[in-house]
Amino acid sequence: SAVISQKPSRDICQRGTSLTIQCQVDSQVTMMFWYRQQPGQSLTLIATANQGSEATYESGFVIDKFPISRPNLTFSTLTVSNMSPEDSSIYLCSATGQGAEAFFGQGTRLTVV
Amino acid sequence: AQSVSQHNHHVILSEAASLELGCNYSYGGTVNLFWYVQYPGQHLQLLLKYFSGDPLVKGIKGFEAEFIKSKFSFNLRKPSVQWSDTAEYFCAVVPSGNTPLVFGKGTRLSVIA
Repeated sequence: SAVISQKPSRDICQRGTSLTIQCQVDSQVTMMFWYRQQPGQSLTLIATANQGSEATYESGFVIDKFPISRPNLTFSTLTVSNMSPEDSSIYLCSATGQGAEAFFGQGTRLTVV
Repeated sequence: AQSVSQHNHHVILSEAASLELGCNYSYGGTVNLFWYVQYPGQHLQLLLKYFSGDPLVKGIKGFEAEFIKSKFSFNLRKPSVQWSDTAEYFCAVVPSGNTPLVFGKGTRLSVIA
């Protein structure tokens, strides 16, 4: 199994600012993903974080708004840029190893005011 | 594209009642199937998973799920629920080990005394 540490766990931010969320995995994993979970909703995939190259974004999500880095196998960051109240959500880092099971961080609860 | 349907949005049960949460997926090939649970204020945790073999899989906390390939279903069951089972339950599917999980919308379970 893998343990994922995500920080910050929560933040309240002013609109127009940016927040970078960090995700650290305690073991080497093959894939890392970023999800968003809006209140009362399921998880929506934002992008796949690719090591050493640009992330692969899902429809509706763009790099300018959600830049992602993955400099090595165990670390990734997601930035929520130029935030608006609609970005208020829980952002989740996920990682999978060889067994296809996905592990999740505790999430970052973001409130934009 | 793959999709996962969870038909029950909110289920309310009394303690000791039996539970069955429905999950259907749309994908014609081989899939790996998961049920995750999210207790209030906590991160997602794996309940059980199916990769191959016996279609009846047992997970933690007395949960089990049955994979019925002909029905594209992976329903979650528990013979007797407890108050502590109050949580959000998510069904997820992945067609291969290096792609992200696709989640259903989730089912909120409320267990009352």
